[in-house]
Amino acid sequence: AQRVTQPEKLLSVFKGAPVELKCNYSYSGSPELFWYVQYSRQRLQLLLRHISRESIKGFTADLNKGETSFHLKKPFAQEEDSAMYYCALRLNSGNTPLVFGKGTRLSVIA
Amino acid sequence: EAQVTQNPRYLITVTGKKLTVTCSQNMNHEYMSWYRQDPGLGLRQIYYSMNVEVTDKGDVPEGYKVSRKEKRNFPLILESPSPNQTSLYFCASSPRKGDTEAFFGQGTRLTVV
Repeated sequence: AQRVTQPEKLLSVFKGAPVELKCNYSYSGSPELFWYVQYSRQRLQLLLRHISRESIKGFTADLNKGETSFHLKKPFAQEEDSAMYYCALRLNSGNTPLVFGKGTRLSVIA
Repeated sequence: EAQVTQNPRYLITVTGKKLTVTCSQNMNHEYMSWYRQDPGLGLRQIYYSMNVEVTDKGDVPEGYKVSRKEKRNFPLILESPSPNQTSLYFCASSPRKGDTEAFFGQGTRLTVV
């Protein structure tokens, strides 16, 4: 079965410092990968997906099939980036729902 | 407006008293799922449904039931709630196509005393 691993439960960085939230997956095929964000007391919402290769709120994520990783990066963290971040995977065949990692809580310190 | 709606938002109940949390989506999505979110454990899938009358167990189905009699609704049923089911519950829906996002409800915070 496919699996998503986020090795860090909590990541604290200073404002203006670079951020990297790690995500590794185990699946031999070609999955679709997503990052979801949950701000305090709000519902989960999509941050970005690998297929669109876009930058949202300064965040980017590149799919590395060789390392089976989809790390989320931002060059300069802002206080409003503090949130819970979930990496998620879905088979591109569309026959299964999303599989989530356990999440990483990002705390940006002023 | 495209949305996933859960009710109630907050619920406090006693052990053993059956309850239902409703979930409705207006996007004609095939897939719907229920998750529970607990500190340190992240999101864990309870049940999912790939279409009407098609449901399957997720990672933590014990103590829960679901039904999918119509496409828009996917209620979560706790026949005999216990304190270890105290959690924050999220419903999500998505279309069949693999590269499209899932839409989440606003969450239901359940406390079982």
